Amino acid sequence: KNQVEQSPQSLIILEGKNCTLQCNYTVSPFSNLRWYKQDTGRGPVSLTIMTFSENTKSNGRYTATLDADTKQSSLHITASQLSDSASYICVVNNKGSGNTGKLIFGQGTTLQVKP
Amino acid sequence: NAGVTQTPKFRVLKTGQSMTLLCAQDMNHEYMYWYRQDPGMGLRLIHYSVGEGTTAKGEVPDGYNVSRLKKQNFLLGLESAAPSQTSVYFCASSYSLPTGSEAFFGQGTRLTVV
Repeated sequence: KNQVEQSPQSLIILEGKNCTLQCNYTVSPFSNLRWYKQDTGRGPVSLTIMTFSENTKSNGRYTATLDADTKQSSLHITASQLSDSASYICVVNNKGSGNTGKLIFGQGTTLQVKP
Repeated sequence: NAGVTQTPKFRVLKTGQSMTLLCAQDMNHEYMYWYRQDPGMGLRLIHYSVGEGTTAKGEVPDGYNVSRLKKQNFLLGLESAAPSQTSVYFCASSYSLPTGSEAFFGQGTRLTVV
């Protein structure tokens, strides 16, 4: 069964600290993986996309990694800010499913950054 | 640039009532989607459209209908609301298949069925 599991479910850190969010997937065949940020009461916004051949990609203080062999991805946030408080969603594209728009969503990690 | 706009933002329905959620995008995207988001679960696809006049079922289509009469609009209808349809609904659009193209989401509609 195609699944995307994220950990931890929730996380509280102090402002200025770093943190790493995990995403494990069993989706096959795999095409790409996106990390989305969802602020409270808002829709998800894409942070980064990882394709099969990419290991690391950065977007400002956000760095995503992908290990296609172990089917794991991580999102590292450096020097956290209060505005980083949000839910972070890992989304894997199930390539070749024959169903247009077949994205598999993780349940998200809720991050709270405290001053 | 408004992007993807959903109306209404909040709604409370009684069991058995009907309603329509409207999604409008101004990015000239071909593909549009309706998702629902429930606590502890990932977003689940209800229905989608690959172009004006086309619709298709997603993962959880039962109890919902959709229409795409105009390219920029995608409507989600609930004919007879049930408490199980209490959820946050998100509309999204993309230029091409979301397999490669970023999906842009609306701000969501919080629906409560009592």
